[in-house]
Amino acid sequence: GAGVSQSPRYKVAKRGQDVALRCDPISGHVSLFWYQQALGQGPEFLTYFQNEAQLDKSGLPSDRFFAERPEGSVSTLKIQRTQQEDSAVYLCASSLVGRGDNEQFFGPGTRLTVL
Amino acid sequence: GNSVTQMEGPVTLSEEAFLTINCTYTATGYPSLFWYVQYPGEGLQLLLKATKADDKGSNKGFEATYRKETTSFHLEKGSVQVSDSAVYFCALHGRGGGADGLTFGKGTHLIIQP
Repeated sequence: GAGVSQSPRYKVAKRGQDVALRCDPISGHVSLFWYQQALGQGPEFLTYFQNEAQLDKSGLPSDRFFAERPEGSVSTLKIQRTQQEDSAVYLCASSLVGRGDNEQFFGPGTRLTVL
Repeated sequence: GNSVTQMEGPVTLSEEAFLTINCTYTATGYPSLFWYVQYPGEGLQLLLKATKADDKGSNKGFEATYRKETTSFHLEKGSVQVSDSAVYFCALHGRGGGADGLTFGKGTHLIIQP
């Protein structure tokens, strides 16, 4: 079956532009997570959804970052007024249930480069 | 807060060598522990997990034992293959509060030479 997909795979933005990154989780998966992975680092948690409810956004680095999952399926991570320090790979993961202690299935990521 | 520390890479071994990748953690309460692996050109995938002290997770010849007394979850394999070349991430999910997602280490790049 289809895994987690993300689009675009690569995004180049000029500093100050807004970007939107899309995640299509595995069908039927209740839980959805976003992570940010800087070069040479492990992924860092950004936010967590259970269906359409955003239950944890403690990892969002600033109010320029916003995520939504309005129908409990597809999710969008939006970054407003991008800065160079936002350059990273953004990973989406889904799991059947649970807050993070069950197996998470990761997408291939979106590599964001801010010039 | 929660944190994971794993050995720096790259780690280069010959085929059939014994592998250990060290991982230690700091967490409130008793976390669940994981090893995720990223093969070249692929996304992260779960390798093994353990949810309580003294549990041993195993998969594809890899093993790791949850050691509460040393707060460790070292990854081992008795005889590595070229196909094991990948980046390995140790991770935890805390039960004592904190974020709902996983906390990852920085990753260890493993290179197996034929």
